[in-house]
Amino acid sequence: EPEVTQTPSHQVTQMGQEVILRCVPISNHLYFYWYRQILGQKVEFLVSFYNNEISEKSEIFDDQFSVERPDGSNFTLKIRSTKLEDSAMYFCASSESGSVQPQHFGDGTRLSIL
Amino acid sequence: AQRVTQPEKLLSVFKGAPVELKCNYSYSGSPELFWYVQYSRQRLQLLLRHISRESIKGFTADLNKGETSFHLKKPFAQEEDSAMYYCALSETGFQKLVFGTGTRLLVSP
Repeated sequence: EPEVTQTPSHQVTQMGQEVILRCVPISNHLYFYWYRQILGQKVEFLVSFYNNEISEKSEIFDDQFSVERPDGSNFTLKIRSTKLEDSAMYFCASSESGSVQPQHFGDGTRLSIL
Repeated sequence: AQRVTQPEKLLSVFKGAPVELKCNYSYSGSPELFWYVQYSRQRLQLLLRHISRESIKGFTADLNKGETSFHLKKPFAQEEDSAMYYCALSETGFQKLVFGTGTRLLVSP
């Protein structure tokens, strides 16, 4: 069964540095998402992406965050200048279409900011 | 704003006992409700969604709009059901999922 893959599984970065988290969505899926889960808290929506543009974003997704689909397979989340509070598990997801279709999640990237 | 509440952080039952994982939501429109499950060391995966009205691994969930609830039920719990269960909501026409805080189900032999 096709899966969403995320790399790396764990990223350790110094505060203030830029970090890029990578995701390969399922190949025939058209919608892509990023979520994050701070330790002990709920999974929170960050952004959705469709047709090469952001379709929805949360208030968490400020100017420090950006997403890109640089080629036909990868979907990336960039954090420009990381803060301690960015430490979290970041999940990528994809779906065939919009809200009625289930979202398939990757294993996540654990981001630790020092 | 939409909100999903899962009041129990941990639910511990014995094998063969009935299970009910509670989920209440706050949303003024017609939501789409989902249950996601995360087994140990595995990814979040969809368990079921209300529009499908299906039973997966013996679990069912009924959307009760009057009580704004979407409780997950199974008549006889199995040890392999032990996992983290998340209730989630999306607004019709929007893609984002709003998650509850999750309930850890522990089924003991």
